[in-house]
Amino acid sequence: DSGVTQTPKHLITATGQRVTLRCSPRSGDLSVYWYQQSLDQGLQFLIQYYNGEERAKGNILERFSAQQFPDLHSELNLSSLELGDSALYFCASSVEGKYGYTFGSGTRLTVV
Amino acid sequence: AQKITQTQPGMFVQEKEAVTLDCTYDTSDPSYGLFWYKQPSSGEMIFLIYQGSYDQQNATEGRYSLNFQKARKSANLVISASQLGDSAMYFCAMREYGQNFVFGPGTRLSVLP
Repeated sequence: DSGVTQTPKHLITATGQRVTLRCSPRSGDLSVYWYQQSLDQGLQFLIQYYNGEERAKGNILERFSAQQFPDLHSELNLSSLELGDSALYFCASSVEGKYGYTFGSGTRLTVV
Repeated sequence: AQKITQTQPGMFVQEKEAVTLDCTYDTSDPSYGLFWYKQPSSGEMIFLIYQGSYDQQNATEGRYSLNFQKARKSANLVISASQLGDSAMYFCAMREYGQNFVFGPGTRLSVLP
């Protein structure tokens, strides 16, 4: 157990739907990062939050949004889902000033 | 421009042999960290080893070592005494100071019995 908790582990939904992925960072970590891993795109950085504030944005679609709550857990909201959104979504957390990330086990999203 | 290059999409190695997975990177920042992660078929990302840009010695973690050649901007992972459980995707990643991780495309390692 890495200490980063992601739920659910698997999600199957239909096109056009909206889903929420949840991440609880490791105790003491203030930064949360979201990554998307699809077969043809590799691991792509989506967005980072630090202590509730958006810190950096990567290749995140406008249909996707995220937030980090006061208890530091984070949610990634994916709406108007398309087949191409099927991927493994990872959350990671880190201590500020340290280089390393700790990854959660991921949420596998399948859009049918 | 691609910041992390892994030129080997797939590699095979015989059980108990050593294998080297290649990684080259591109940065003009003097302060950065290099990482290797393992992703087995179950999907989780497992941290293997870390090398800081100012580290004088090559990092080692058990059967894993990182062959760090700073001038050549390479950070190859060496796995000694391969085991069947080493079969997985391996990702090289870099984090420049204050920036986010950038991952390479990965190398799929298959260990043959």
